Amino acid sequence: EAQVTQNPRYLITVTGKKLTVTCSQNMNHEYMSWYRQDPGLGLRQIYYSMNVEVTDKGDVPEGYKVSRKEKRNFPLILESPSPNQTSLYFCASSLGPGIYEQYFGPGTRLTVT
Amino acid sequence: EDQVTQSPEALRLQEGESSSLNCSYTVSGLRGLFWYRQDPGKGPEFLFTLYSAGEEKEKERLKATLTKKESFLHITAPKPEDSATYLCAVGAGSYQLTFGKGTKLSVIP
Repeated sequence: EAQVTQNPRYLITVTGKKLTVTCSQNMNHEYMSWYRQDPGLGLRQIYYSMNVEVTDKGDVPEGYKVSRKEKRNFPLILESPSPNQTSLYFCASSLGPGIYEQYFGPGTRLTVT
Repeated sequence: EDQVTQSPEALRLQEGESSSLNCSYTVSGLRGLFWYRQDPGKGPEFLFTLYSAGEEKEKERLKATLTKKESFLHITAPKPEDSATYLCAVGAGSYQLTFGKGTKLSVIP
């Protein structure tokens, strides 16, 4: 089954404790992306990757890091989480940006206290 | 800067009462316009892609249309299971999708 998976699905952590949210896709997609979704603000892109070792900032990259060492995986790293990073996070993948639809993972609900 | 505006923010319909959701956009060089359905706490689910003005696509009770400035998602004889938030997104010259804030649709039995 074609899918995007994320782990963990739920995470409660404390300020400053480094964490990683994993994302994996099995569709051989070149383009992958991370979004955060907040009430009243909609979906905002954090980082995206055009291919292995190619990443770039989206609209809200501050406080986040990403890496793309393998085509299928695109982890999101919060090195020093803060309460304003409490949000619902989605990973997505597609054949390419802008033209092809993106397929989304199930989401990771992060709470930083 | 690419902009996407969806209206209304929320819409309540009686079961069987047809209506339309609007997505207006301002982009330089539209590459694709996308409609998604999102259920609470879940990831957006892809519905349609439209590429050029005049294009239409249908799926069950949903029909999406596109003009040079806006897209409509028409819902014919909706059922309670159509209740969800519907998101519109545009892909343009940048390597990003720009999303609207969505229309929350409630269909009352």
